[in-house]
Amino acid sequence: EAQVTQNPRYLITVTGKKLTVTCSQNMNHEYMSWYRQDPGLGLRQIYYSMNVEVTDKGDVPEGYKVSRKEKRNFPLILESPSPNQTSLYFCASSQQGGYGYTFGSGTRLTVV
Amino acid sequence: GDSVTQMEGPVTLSEEAFLTINCTYTATGYPSLFWYVQYPGEGLQLLLKATKADDKGSNKGFEATYRKETTSFHLEKGSVQVSDSAVYFCALRRAGSNYQLIWGAGTKLIIKP
Repeated sequence: EAQVTQNPRYLITVTGKKLTVTCSQNMNHEYMSWYRQDPGLGLRQIYYSMNVEVTDKGDVPEGYKVSRKEKRNFPLILESPSPNQTSLYFCASSQQGGYGYTFGSGTRLTVV
Repeated sequence: GDSVTQMEGPVTLSEEAFLTINCTYTATGYPSLFWYVQYPGEGLQLLLKATKADDKGSNKGFEATYRKETTSFHLEKGSVQVSDSAVYFCALRRAGSNYQLIWGAGTKLIIKP
């Protein structure tokens, strides 16, 4: 089944403790992206990647890192999480030509 | 810059009512337009799309027509069901862009039995 898999689905952590949210897609898509979703703010893009070793900042990149060492994986790294990073995070992928995105099921992160 | 504006929610309707969720956009050229749906506890799913003016996208009883003259892509359904309760996002892909989408804020739809 074609899908984007995120892990974990839920995570509660403490301020300053480094964490990684994994994202993997099995569709050989070139493009991958991370979003955060907050009430009243819709979807905001954090980082995106056009292909392996090619990443770029989205609208709200501060406090986040990403890497794209393999085409299928696009992990989101929070080196020192803070409470304002409490949010619902989505990973998405797309093939060239913009045929629409395939989204993961989301990761609900709480930083206390 | 390019942008997408959706009607604010929540929109509350009774089952079998007619649905319209407004979406207007600002963009140069001829963007592609999309509607995504997010059911409770899930990720977003592509609902329908249109890639050129006057195209009509349709899926699951939902329709939207790409209106260049009014820069709109309103989502409609003739008879909604409780299972249509979700958040609906309008988005555009800039002309000439392969990937990047610009998103509306989302509209929450609540259908009461």
